[in-house]
Amino acid sequence: DVKVTQSSRYLVKRTGEKVFLECVQDMDHENMFWYRQDPGLGLRLIYFSYDVKMKEKGDIPEGYSVSREKKERFSLILESASTNQTSMYLCASSFYPGQTYEQYFGPGTRLTVT
Amino acid sequence: SQQGEEDPQALSIQEGENATMNCSYKTSINNLQWYRQNSGRGLVHLILIRSNEREKHSGRLRVTLDTSKKSSSLLITASRAADTASYFCATGPVNFGNEKLTFGTGTRLTIIP
Repeated sequence: DVKVTQSSRYLVKRTGEKVFLECVQDMDHENMFWYRQDPGLGLRLIYFSYDVKMKEKGDIPEGYSVSREKKERFSLILESASTNQTSMYLCASSFYPGQTYEQYFGPGTRLTVT
Repeated sequence: SQQGEEDPQALSIQEGENATMNCSYKTSINNLQWYRQNSGRGLVHLILIRSNEREKHSGRLRVTLDTSKKSSSLLITASRAADTASYFCATGPVNFGNEKLTFGTGTRLTIIP
């Protein structure tokens, strides 16, 4: 079974802090994704990566950056956390660059910025 | 931007009844997928239907796709308490080289025991 893990289930940070969210997948997937999920808005794509060191902006990249130094690991960075970044963050991975196959999700990180 | 819109936003039914959820989308797609999310957890892939397919079954799930109406439906038969969750449709773009899925806002399904 594909396993996608995220570094924390719950996280509380202060405004202005730099926040790192980590995601690891164990199935050698090329594609990895970061979403945020807010009530009434569904899932919105922040960034995705289709290969090591490659990244593309999603729909809402402002205030975020990402890093993919190894194929299995994709990190989301909040450079200076703000209260409007309080949300559920979901990581996902999928096979095959260039094709939309099913995505496998991690359990999510609920981030609260105070 | 949201591609898929699920309808209804929330649905409550008695255990054993069938549940139907609908998804409408705006642009041409390569495939449409349905996912389930239990409260506070990640999403789990349920079923994928390609644009040249009209109907697909998986266990108690039946998905239909009407590309002329840009809509899909998910039917869960003989519902169980464990089916209580949010259900999302997601669309894959028609142009290859683009791996992104676009998710709808979801239908919250509650099964009453």
